[in-house]
Amino acid sequence: ETGVTQTPRHLVMGMTNKKSLKCEQHLGHNAMYWYKQSAKKPLELMFVYSLEERVENNSVPSRFSPECPNSSHLFLHLHTLQPEDSALYLCASSQRVKGESTDTQYFGPGTRLTVL
Amino acid sequence: GQNIDQPTEMTATEGAIVQINCTYQTSGFNGLFWYQQHAGEAPTFLSYNVLDGLEEKGRFSSFLSRSKGYSYLLLKELQMKDSASYLCAVIDSNYQLIWGAGTKLIIKP
Repeated sequence: ETGVTQTPRHLVMGMTNKKSLKCEQHLGHNAMYWYKQSAKKPLELMFVYSLEERVENNSVPSRFSPECPNSSHLFLHLHTLQPEDSALYLCASSQRVKGESTDTQYFGPGTRLTVL
Repeated sequence: GQNIDQPTEMTATEGAIVQINCTYQTSGFNGLFWYQQHAGEAPTFLSYNVLDGLEEKGRFSSFLSRSKGYSYLLLKELQMKDSASYLCAVIDSNYQLIWGAGTKLIIKP
């Protein structure tokens, strides 16, 4: 595998389900990101794991919970989601330099999530 | 607030040239990215500009004017495979990446 991979590619879940999205990067990067992409809206950064720090967008509901066990793997745990959470969830990775970063982000193909 | 503006959709003809504009109002500037995203696929990196001027990469070129808060992506000799969304993103003074909503480009034969 090369680049950034995400599984599953498609997920349909009910509001009471619990599921997890998985992302793996094979680029040797030290930062990983979760984004939400809704139709005709800008990419919304949800979480960043970078240089052993976690940064989160305070507007993200607690029903989304990230986990980053190592620099190559990233999970997004989902529980009691709402229909408005239906979107494309993209994972990305980059190589960050402490303090300043104009690094290029490399994206996975995304998980298309539908909440019924 | 911070804002990136791009046209929502554009249509062009195969073999022609198209220019996709991006204007930004951000707290500081540390660079601008263009990404291409085909439907159902990952955004892929096209270009990065941090200095004023034109950067050319084959059929694609990207221009930046920092004083005007303006960039464009120029696509020449359009091919059907260029049908995609094109995302503009700016790095602000806090090194946060601010994204535009993207421009959907439709290429017609």
